[in-house]
Amino acid sequence: RKEVEQDPGPFNVPEGATVAFNCTYSNSASQSFFWYRQDCRKEPKLLMSVYSSGNEDGRFTAQLNRASQYISLLIRDSKLSDSATYLCVVRGASGTYKYIFGTGTRLKVLA
Amino acid sequence: GAGVSQSPSNKVTEKGKDVELRCDPISGHTALYWYRQRLGQGLEFLIYFQGNSAPDKSGLPSDRFSAERTGESVSTLTIQRTQQEDSAVYLCASPLASGDRYNEQFFGPGTRLTVL
Repeated sequence: RKEVEQDPGPFNVPEGATVAFNCTYSNSASQSFFWYRQDCRKEPKLLMSVYSSGNEDGRFTAQLNRASQYISLLIRDSKLSDSATYLCVVRGASGTYKYIFGTGTRLKVLA
Repeated sequence: GAGVSQSPSNKVTEKGKDVELRCDPISGHTALYWYRQRLGQGLEFLIYFQGNSAPDKSGLPSDRFSAERTGESVSTLTIQRTQQEDSAVYLCASPLASGDRYNEQFFGPGTRLTVL
C-alpha cells in the first residue's frame, strides 16, 4: 500500500461546480497535512495546510479525519483557473522531516 | 534572491555521463530538500539537509546519486554514470526551518534531465 494515495482522475467539471478530492494516508502517526497545487510543467505551490479542526480559505475547504486517515479538499464555484493537479502531502511523525507526496488528482474545469 | 533557483533548467546528456544539478535556496532558509518527479508521477523524496548536514538521505535511489550543501546555502545533486531511468524533473525545495510542523515548502522551477 502506498503511504499516500489519491485518485488520479481526471475530474472534468463545469465552471461553477463543486468538486471534492480525498486522499488517504497509511501512517497513523503522521502529524502534518497539506494540499499543494501543481500546474502543468510547473513546480508545486502550497494551496493550504490542513488542520485538525478543518479550515477554509475562500472557495477551498480542507478537512482531516484522523480516525479514518484521510484528508479532503472541497472546491466550490470552480473556476477555469482551478484546472491543475492537486497534490496531497503528509509529513510523518515527530522526529521525521520527510514529506510524502501523493501522485496527485488532476482537475479540469470546463467552460 | 526572492525565491528558490535551480540550474540548469534543462539538461540533456548521454547515458553514462555525470551530471551536476544546482539549487540556490531562499536566503536564510536552513532546511533544503531534493525531490525527483518522473513524467506523470508524484514527487519522490531524495534527500533532506539541515544546514550542511543530511540527516535523511534515504530516498537516494543508488550510490550513483550524491548531494552536498555548503555554507548553509547552495546545494548540488550529482548523478554519476547516468541511466535512462534517471530522466525526470529534479526539484529543490526550501522551507524556512524544519522545526515547524506546518512549514511551507518553497519549490524551485526544477531541472528537467533527459538521458539519451
